[in-house]
Amino acid sequence: EVQLAESGGGLVQPGGSLRLSCAASGFTFSSYWMHWVRQAPGKGLVWVSRINTDGSSTSYADTVKGRFTISRDNAKNTLYLQMNSLRVEDTAVYYCARDHYGQVDYWGQGTLVTVSS
Amino acid sequence: QSALTQPASVSGSPGQSITISCTGTSSDVGGYNYVSWYQQHPGKAPKVMIYDVNKRPSGVSNRFSGSKSDNTASLTISGLQAEDEADYYCLSYAGSSTSIFGGGTRLTVL
Repeated sequence: EVQLAESGGGLVQPGGSLRLSCAASGFTFSSYWMHWVRQAPGKGLVWVSRINTDGSSTSYADTVKGRFTISRDNAKNTLYLQMNSLRVEDTAVYYCARDHYGQVDYWGQGTLVTVSS
Repeated sequence: QSALTQPASVSGSPGQSITISCTGTSSDVGGYNYVSWYQQHPGKAPKVMIYDVNKRPSGVSNRFSGSKSDNTASLTISGLQAEDEADYYCLSYAGSSTSIFGGGTRLTVL
């Protein structure tokens, strides 16, 4: 059974940093591209970032480019999202998701990031 | 990177059929057969209902179907049931390893 478990969310001040992790199990992690998707409270889903199988290719939404970094450790079956220069508008539930040709076929349960002073 | 366009809300009575549209451009919806649809109940993670425009994952009811014409994809739910009441989102590959979601549609079963 495919399982994705996010962790690392919490309360951070504007301008601060946070690193999210996503532990993957139930599939060959190193064979799949992966995504991060976020959802602000009461709002819709927004694509954030995508990474290829070996981490050599990454892409980002314009709203996070230059501030967020996606990475992965295939030996640990773990996906990461390093978030720097956080803004109030980055407040959201962040979902880790498995890729299927640019779509998502499996989702984690999400981790809440709150940016507030 | 503006969101794909979906109606904010749709409604239908039990047993009826409804269709939710998802309009993009030739750079996303119209350019690839990589459009998917997700159902999200309050407080829950999204669940894939349709992928690759019209394919249904194992375990998803055949009351759900997908299609695409030019730059618009559509999700049709037939034989509406109370448990179908949820938010629905489309997602399309948009080239250069990026993806884009629709703004979401709230389905109300009357």
